[in-house]
Parts: sequence; C-alpha cells; structure tokens
Amino acid sequence: DARVTQTPRHKVTEMGQEVTMRCQPILGHNTVFWYRQTMMQGLELLAYFRNRAPLDDSGMPKDRFSAEMPDATLATLKIQPSEPRDSAVYFCASGTRDSLETQYFGPGTRLLVL
Amino acid sequence: QQQVKQSPQSLIVQKGGISIINCAYENTAFDYFPWYQQFPGKGPALLIAIRPDVSEKKEGRFTISFNKSAKQFSLHIMDSQPGDSATYFCAASRSNDMRFGAGTRLTVKP
Repeated sequence: DARVTQTPRHKVTEMGQEVTMRCQPILGHNTVFWYRQTMMQGLELLAYFRNRAPLDDSGMPKDRFSAEMPDATLATLKIQPSEPRDSAVYFCASGTRDSLETQYFGPGTRLLVL
Repeated sequence: QQQVKQSPQSLIVQKGGISIINCAYENTAFDYFPWYQQFPGKGPALLIAIRPDVSEKKEGRFTISFNKSAKQFSLHIMDSQPGDSATYFCAASRSNDMRFGAGTRLTVKP
C-alpha cells in the first residue's frame, strides 16, 4: 500500500527552536509538495520540487523556512527560528507529474510553537 | 486576496439527501478544478476533478457541475451517507499555482 509518510506526526516546541519535518514520497514519484494548513488561512502551497529541484517556493517565507530534497526518498522542511504563528499542520504530497494536478497527501505534521 | 471562494462553511444533511457545495474562482487562467476530501487527522485526498472544457463530471455518487461563464463550480453528493462526513475543499490550478477554498465541513446525520 504505497503512501506518503511524514515524521514527526506531532511536534511541540518553544519559540526560537529549529523544527525539521520530514517526508518520504511514494516510491517513483518525482514531484513533492509542501503545504501548510491553518484555520485562518486554510491550505497554502509553500513549495514544490520536481526531480529534487525546487520548482516554486514563492509561497514560503524565505527568512525562516527552507525546503530541500537531499535524495529522491526524502524531503525536508525546516523552520529556524520557529515562531508561534508557525503553528499549523504541515502536509507533504507527492505526485508523478511536474504539475499540481496529481498529488497524494501524507498524514501531516501537527506543529505547535509555544 | 482569496481567489477561490467556497460556501457554505458547514453543512448538515440527512442520510440519503443531496449535499451541495459551491465554489467560485476569479482567475480565468485556471484550467483544472479538483475537489478534495479530508477526514480528521488525515491529509486531503483527491475526490474528483474537472477541466473547463466539460460542464459536468460524474463518478459514482459524486458530481461536479462547472459553469465557465459564471466562473463557478459545485460538488454534488447524491444519497449522502454518514461516512461522507468530512471536510471538502475545492481548488483551482494552472501551471505551478494551486489555490484552495476555505473548506466545507459536511455532517451527514443518520
């Protein structure tokens, strides 16, 4: 049963700490997306990669957020330093096409920054 | 600026009834309109999608109606079941841009 996995599922941290979220895309998928979901803003696309190269990260605050794909089986989203307003659920999704149309979401990382 | 407006925020329907969720978009360049279903604690899952060259698409109990001139599209769930209770998101996309609606929390009462 192929699925996107994300770790950790829950993270509580203090303001100013570094947070790293990890995503393992479905094997063979070459496109990875990062989303943030909050009650106020809903679902927002932060960044996406194709073949490990960033295609678009215009939705991501550059000063504290960074996204990378060290290899085809791992994508990371880092926040440094974290702030309370970063509290949200962060979803990773993967797909097989270099567009946004076909994507499968992971279960999310629920982040709380105190 | 909210490019995709979704209504209602919440919806309660009796089992067997029809659930209708509406979305309106602003950017006429959008060329793909998916609906996602999200259960608590889970990620969104693609439910059904349509392109603007057709006015309707049906998959089982789920139907998308699309009105290009009005820039509106809607999701109809026929014979709604308690298992359909979830949050539904519409979206509109083109190229490397996808915008989501705010979501509709659907509750189907037995």
